[in-house]
Amino acid sequence: AAGVIQSPRHLIKEKRETATLKCYPIPRHDTVYWYQQGPGQDPQFLISFYEKMQSDKGSIPDRFSAQQFSDYHSELNMSSLELGDSALYFCASSYGQGAYGYTFGSGTRLTVV
Amino acid sequence: AQKVTQAQTEISVVEKEDVTLDCVYETRDTTYYLFWYKQPPSGELVFLIRRNSFDEQNEISGRYSWNFQKSTSSFNFTITASQVVDSAVYFCALSEARGGSYIPTFGRGTSLIVHP
Repeated sequence: AAGVIQSPRHLIKEKRETATLKCYPIPRHDTVYWYQQGPGQDPQFLISFYEKMQSDKGSIPDRFSAQQFSDYHSELNMSSLELGDSALYFCASSYGQGAYGYTFGSGTRLTVV
Repeated sequence: AQKVTQAQTEISVVEKEDVTLDCVYETRDTTYYLFWYKQPPSGELVFLIRRNSFDEQNEISGRYSWNFQKSTSSFNFTITASQVVDSAVYFCALSEARGGSYIPTFGRGTSLIVHP
């Protein structure tokens, strides 16, 4: 069965650089969620999209932005990267805004040096 | 305030022991969902179970079982006859409606170490 695809799997960036993370949801899933998990921490909700519109916002820094495209894939854009942005970034997708559960991708591990 | 509390930061057991991971949640909603996820050292989040607030039936899946008690706002997870491959961080999550969406909030996780 198709899963949630995230790319890249690993990314190394320098401070003040920009990074773009991509997420391809399960086919026919209409909702995408982004989470950030710092070392030894629980995943923290950043932002979600339903039918290509932002539906909810969590603790996403102003330096980050995201969108969901017409094919339902989503991109998380991160600018002016800081050392503290080093984390595992998860994307999850669902159908019907989460009422039926979520499937998480394998994550993108971002290291800022 | 933490909506999902996993009081056990780390549990260490010897293979074949039974182990219970505790999860206590807090919500004012009548409709909500509870989840358990496993995060092995490789990092991915593996879905284990989803339970809605109207279904208090306990569930067993192989060596895994879950005890959902609304009266105590708890959703505990038991692994019977633990194995080394069960070593991972386990997250309990609560999904409540926010606007039109259900957004999962995770507990801080319990690191389970199973020694051979």
